Amino acid sequence: NAGVTQTPKFRVLKTGQSMTLLCAQDMNHEYMYWYRQDPGMGLRLIHYSVGEGTTAKGEVPDGYNVSRLKKQNFLLGLESAAPSQTSVYFCASKNDRLAERGETQYFGPGTRLLVL
Amino acid sequence: AQSVAQPEDQVNVAEGNPLTVKCTYSVSGNPYLFWYVQYPNRGLQFLLKYITGDNLVKGSYGFEAEFNKSQTSFHLKKPSALVSDSALYFCAVREGFDSARQLTFGSGTQLTVLP
Repeated sequence: NAGVTQTPKFRVLKTGQSMTLLCAQDMNHEYMYWYRQDPGMGLRLIHYSVGEGTTAKGEVPDGYNVSRLKKQNFLLGLESAAPSQTSVYFCASKNDRLAERGETQYFGPGTRLLVL
Repeated sequence: AQSVAQPEDQVNVAEGNPLTVKCTYSVSGNPYLFWYVQYPNRGLQFLLKYITGDNLVKGSYGFEAEFNKSQTSFHLKKPSALVSDSALYFCAVREGFDSARQLTFGSGTQLTVLP
């Protein structure tokens, strides 16, 4: 049981390049999230998904797209990277039950992205 | 709108002393409150949560937090700090009755426990 994994761990891009970050979870969770973490700003939600085939915008969605074609995977895409997207990206998941256990999010180890 | 504030960017405490990391929140209804910890170059790990019930919540690694509705606070505490507790701590909140709401995180508090 690997939990939540993220690929790659680190990436350097030039402005205008594109890339896809992959998040995978093996806990059969319905909900998945993408956050970015910037110094002094905590975590901000980019996009999220409440189930396979569904996605929704979070607090800072501009410049990003997502897809949830399979329940276990949640992809975050940058079509044209900008220096402002330099950040650490975290994926998280949780199950859909409304009981107390369903409220805990489980996080991946993060992806460090540097856009030059 | 929901929000959470962690008024201290940095908290320093000597090993063996009690520690407190402060968190205040704002939601329109009943809050679901969480504490997460982040060690260097790692993802966030769940520590504890308040959903309903007893105002004093006990979590992992000897941490506890007290929900205070009148002061809209959810401070994280530990009776005796360890050097290994040094990490970045995040408080998070969401409106409890609105299942469509997502978590809002605070800006984080760096805890340093000095040997």
